[in-house]
Amino acid sequence: KNEVEQSPQNLTAQEGEFITINCSYSVGISALHWLQQHPGGGIVSLFMLSSGKKKHGRLIATINIQEKHSSLHITASHPRDSAVYICAVGQGTSGSRLTFGEGTQLTVNP
Amino acid sequence: NAGVTQTPKFQVLKTGQSMTLQCAQDMNHNSMYWYRQDPGMGLRLIYYSASEGTTDKGEVPNGYNVSRLNKREFSLRLESAAPSQTSVYFCASTPLEGIQGFALEQYFGPGTRLTVT
Repeated sequence: KNEVEQSPQNLTAQEGEFITINCSYSVGISALHWLQQHPGGGIVSLFMLSSGKKKHGRLIATINIQEKHSSLHITASHPRDSAVYICAVGQGTSGSRLTFGEGTQLTVNP
Repeated sequence: NAGVTQTPKFQVLKTGQSMTLQCAQDMNHNSMYWYRQDPGMGLRLIYYSASEGTTDKGEVPNGYNVSRLNKREFSLRLESAAPSQTSVYFCASTPLEGIQGFALEQYFGPGTRLTVT
């Protein structure tokens, strides 16, 4: 069993829909990261959080430490949101070593 | 700022050949990482350097060596390439915060697509 599990693996939505991607982990963590990998391959960090909730534009990330679960929500989805979304957890005192989930491929159709 | 740069972008090697992937960052970050990404698998850590002068093995270090040349540069060397090393390689860096050096978000390079035939 992977230490970081994402669901679903693939997700297709219509423009405007509310999207949720889930991440569960089985180890103690210092922080959880959400990343976006563009169709061209580039990877950017969206959020790093260790408790509660963060919001950036139409993206919202939440984490429940007790349940070892995080969600990434996209409101009013748009075709440009189509990408792979990756969950990763940082372990140890510094949290610098990340363990990654396999990613969720999101396709938003116009 | 250029951020994290990697060279080359693409490379084809024959089995047994050697090569070095170069990575540099201009953000004065302490920690740097090398990952590989394979279809159906998450990113996996090959080696990392928590700070200048230190390097440590990650999850999949076999067949690779690294050098943290200075604070800016972190190179990955394949001494004798094998087809199993066909992958996309990403370099990343992160700043550390506070006395305990807590790692913040990671910044990724554009990747190197390596094929070993």
